[in-house]
Amino acid sequence: KAGVTQTPRYLIKTRGQQVTLSCSPISGHRSVSWYQQTPGQGLQFLFEYFSETQRNKGNFPGRFSGRQFSNSRSEMNVSTLELGDSALYLCASSFRPGGGYNEQFFGPGTRLTVL
Amino acid sequence: QQQVKQSPQSLIVQKGGISIINCAYENTAFDYFPWYQQFPGKGPALLIAIRPDVSEKKEGRFTISFNKSAKQFSLHIMDSQPGDSATYFCAAVDITGTASKLTFGTGTRLQVTL
Repeated sequence: KAGVTQTPRYLIKTRGQQVTLSCSPISGHRSVSWYQQTPGQGLQFLFEYFSETQRNKGNFPGRFSGRQFSNSRSEMNVSTLELGDSALYLCASSFRPGGGYNEQFFGPGTRLTVL
Repeated sequence: QQQVKQSPQSLIVQKGGISIINCAYENTAFDYFPWYQQFPGKGPALLIAIRPDVSEKKEGRFTISFNKSAKQFSLHIMDSQPGDSATYFCAAVDITGTASKLTFGTGTRLQVTL
């Protein structure tokens, strides 16, 4: 079974630009969550999508947004990039949220560098 | 804000030794507690997880001990091997209806020496 895939793997942008990252979950998984990983803040939850609806959101500014498509693939967008947005952005998929054990499988991440 | 505190920040263990990583949480509503292992350049991979109604779970060389009253849990790696050298994250999952959220600890960088 193929794992979670994320594209692109590496990205370099300049301040003020916007960026879109993509995540394809494991086949059959319907829930996708996004995390930001930095050396200073560690792994922080961004948001979770299930059935094309955002179900949960972390404490990030509105510049961070996401969406999920009918095939469960998800994208996240960061507008007006800041230097502090440089991070590894991780996507995780699970069969379904809630209702008991909800094992999340992570992709390799997208390394975003903001210059 | 929900928090999960993890210690130590880094750990050096000799091959064959026992690696112990500790975590403490505040929110009693967490539904289960997974541990993740992350190698450089890779995403975190689920190692082992435990529900709060279980005091211990063992899978191979990895054991989670869970103390619900103290709101603490720990990962023990028995017979540590150089291939175990990685960063380990504890986490706590809050499941509410159809929403779930992972709160991670700050990570422990484990180095297993020969």
